Amino acid sequence: ETGVTQTPRHLVMGMTNKKSLKCEQHLGHNAMYWYKQSAKKPLELMFVYSLEERVENNSVPSRFSPECPNSSHLFLHLHTLQPEDSALYLCASSRAVTVLPGAGELFFGEGSRLTVL
Amino acid sequence: KQEVTQIPAALSVPEGENLVLNCSFTDSAIYNLQWFRQDPGKGLTSLLLIQSSQREQTSGRLNASLDKSSGRSTLYIAASQPGDSATYLCAVLGGSQGNLIFGKGTKLSVKP
Repeated sequence: ETGVTQTPRHLVMGMTNKKSLKCEQHLGHNAMYWYKQSAKKPLELMFVYSLEERVENNSVPSRFSPECPNSSHLFLHLHTLQPEDSALYLCASSRAVTVLPGAGELFFGEGSRLTVL
Repeated sequence: KQEVTQIPAALSVPEGENLVLNCSFTDSAIYNLQWFRQDPGKGLTSLLLIQSSQREQTSGRLNASLDKSSGRSTLYIAASQPGDSATYLCAVLGGSQGNLIFGKGTKLSVKP
């Protein structure tokens, strides 16, 4: 099994749909992240969970709702999205560093390519 | 606010050449710096992580250096191969931030 697995790999949805992205890590890490990658822009951090507690919410619109039921699983629930939300959504994991959750070496999944019509 | 810049945005070289990718950052108070590789439509693969107390890290044909005082890092790729073609991303973790700040990447093409 690969270290970080994301499903689905591709998703097309209308603006009124509700869907979820799933991420699972098999590396024994205890910090997980959602990043958004849009064309011609740097990766943008959306959410960080460390030890199953949300420690970072980078001013993300409420139409994106994360869920971290345990240290191995992370979800991103999507509803009433806009076409500009079309992007590659990347999940990552690392060892949590108490003072700086993002300090461990990051391991990424393959991403979920989202298209909003 | 930390900003990360990678120059050039794209680079094309013939196979076998040694090459250097550049990364600069505006706030030198960093905790660590990471280099990643991204193939088209795929996720990121961690290549090297340099802690703020280190000057360089090596892995195979890759060598990354860090000069905090000047706000620069370089990724040196020796004897480049077509399989090295990808986008290379640099990311820094600031001393007071809990997340990585990424550059836009350098798209490398190695021609056979």
